[in-house]
Amino acid sequence: EVQLVESGGGLVQPGGSLRLSCAASGFTFNDHYMDWIRQAPGKGLEWVARSRNKANSYSTEYAASVKGRFTISRDDSKNSLYLQMNSLKTEDTAVYYCARSIPGRSFDHWGQGTLVTVSS
Amino acid sequence: DIQLTQSPSFLSASVGDRVTITCRASQGISSSLAWCQQKPGKAPKLLIYAASTLQSGVPSRFSGSGSGTEFTLTISSLQPEDFATYYCQQLNSYPLTFGGGTKVEIK
Repeated sequence: EVQLVESGGGLVQPGGSLRLSCAASGFTFNDHYMDWIRQAPGKGLEWVARSRNKANSYSTEYAASVKGRFTISRDDSKNSLYLQMNSLKTEDTAVYYCARSIPGRSFDHWGQGTLVTVSS
Repeated sequence: DIQLTQSPSFLSASVGDRVTITCRASQGISSSLAWCQQKPGKAPKLLIYAASTLQSGVPSRFSGSGSGTEFTLTISSLQPEDFATYYCQQLNSYPLTFGGGTKVEIK
């Protein structure tokens, strides 16, 4: 069974940093693209970042709203995905989901999410 | 960026009703569209990808159609467990984008 478990969320002041983790199990992690998607309270879904697989050189993509502040990375030896978030803004407050993705098939498995609150 | 406009944003329906949700893209995206369902406090769940392909395990009352700029999600006979918010999402180009969502509530 595919499982994705996020951790690392919490309360952080504006300008601060936080690192989210996503532990994956039940599938061959290094074969898959992995993404972060977020949802602000009461709002819709916003794609944040993508990490392609080893076969695609672990290349990355970012939403304009986070580019230069957030860094997606992965450790295939630990079946883990990460999101390093720097220079956090109040508008980054959201539940952050990690998701497995298959090109052309969208996000076929999602974690339960971790809440990030940016507030003074 | 490709913008996705869903309509309606809110829909009130009864069990057994046929429900149709529309998603319009600001430019052509071929069949690179997916639909997901989200219930309150839960992660989204993939329903349909490539505009019309049913994800494994999803009931056959869900169907998708369309290509280019106009797409639809249809629920042939609404069930109690289908009351949720539905999002379309385009996979054609970066940044990947979602529609604003359609909340389906009980009439």
